[in-house]
Amino acid sequence: EPEVTQTPSHQVTQMGQEVILRCVPISNHLYFYWYRQILGQKVEFLVSFYNNEISEKSEIFDDQFSVERPDGSNFTLKIRSTKLEDSAMYFCASTPSLYEQYFGPGTRLTVT
Amino acid sequence: AQTVTQSQPEMSVQEAETVTLSCTYDTSENNYYLFWYKQPPSRQMILVIRQEAYKQQNATENRFSVNFQKAAKSFSLKISDSQLGDTAMYFCALSGANSKLTFGKGITLSVRP
Repeated sequence: EPEVTQTPSHQVTQMGQEVILRCVPISNHLYFYWYRQILGQKVEFLVSFYNNEISEKSEIFDDQFSVERPDGSNFTLKIRSTKLEDSAMYFCASTPSLYEQYFGPGTRLTVT
Repeated sequence: AQTVTQSQPEMSVQEAETVTLSCTYDTSENNYYLFWYKQPPSRQMILVIRQEAYKQQNATENRFSVNFQKAAKSFSLKISDSQLGDTAMYFCALSGANSKLTFGKGITLSVRP
């Protein structure tokens, strides 16, 4: 069964460094999302992406964040200058229609 | 704005018993979808069950069923014949026309042997 994959599973970085989190959505899906979950808290929407552009973003998704679909298969989330409060689990999700979303296993980002 | 409220932070149930997890929501949209996701210790988000708001019939998936009360904006999850593998965090979530998911705070369910 097709599934969403994410790499790396765990990323440790120093404050101020740039990180890129990678996702490979399910191949025939058209809508892509990033969510984050700070430890012990609820899952929060960051951004949605359709037709090679951002369709919606939350207030969390400030200028430090960007998303890209560089090659038609990968979907990346870049954080330009990481802060301690960016430490969280980051989930990628995709869907073929505006219905149920399929989540990847997540990338745990630790900023030290 | 959409909101999802899960007021119970944790619950415990004996193996083989039935448990109900509560969720209320608010949205101004007429067409929306409701979901329950399970998050085991691995932290993977696993879809348990979904409900289209326009359908009156409550969704069922094996041991999992929902009680969808549209007028009351309530969407509870019933787990029958609880198993040890059901131990996890459960999130109620809502999506509307813009498709982004709004999650509740989650509830930690422990199944006791």
